[in-house]
Amino acid sequence: EDKVVQSPLSLVVHEGDTVTLNCSYEVTNFRSLLWYKQEKKAPTFLFMLTSSGIEKKSGRLSSILDKKELFSILNITATQTGDSAVYLCAVENNYGQNFVFGPGTRLSVLP
Amino acid sequence: DSGVTQTPKHLITATGQRVTLRCSPRSGDLSVYWYQQSLDQGLQFLIQYYNGEERAKGNILERFSAQQFPDLHSELNLSSLELGDSALYFCASSAEPGLAGGDTDTQYFGPGTRLTVL
Repeated sequence: EDKVVQSPLSLVVHEGDTVTLNCSYEVTNFRSLLWYKQEKKAPTFLFMLTSSGIEKKSGRLSSILDKKELFSILNITATQTGDSAVYLCAVENNYGQNFVFGPGTRLSVLP
Repeated sequence: DSGVTQTPKHLITATGQRVTLRCSPRSGDLSVYWYQQSLDQGLQFLIQYYNGEERAKGNILERFSAQQFPDLHSELNLSSLELGDSALYFCASSAEPGLAGGDTDTQYFGPGTRLTVL
């Protein structure tokens, strides 16, 4: 059964800190790994990763995938209070084109 | 604002009833996805349509069905509702049906419909 595990489940930091969120997975016929940010309502897409070792960056956020070790990390540098959210990791498989989500990491950034 | 609209915003109904949730994708997007998010189960993928055809099926119950119409809007029908169906139901759209690595795969989520079953 396809599975996504995220750690930590919850994280509290102060503004300016750098955080690393982890996502490990087991999936049949991996196609892609996706990161989302969910604040109050709908998830917002952050990154889609399909290839190992290629870092994707968007401002202070970056992410990388390791398909051999079956994990991905999401880095946020110089955190701001606006980064407070639940960060969801999901994997997509080729078989049935299913998406499996992890439980999320709740990040709280204190001023 | 993602450009994806969902109606209604909130829905309260009783067990055993049937409801229809509606989703309009972003202009030009051909693919629509439905997700269910509850407190105990997290976010779960239900079903995907691409240009009117069912493309992928996730953890969708037999009591639930969906369709995508020629104008590309989609409806999710939930019948014989149970207390456990109370959740936030999201619709998302993307331009393409999930070609790995392409920017057009990006899924844009609507604001969700909160369903409460009493």
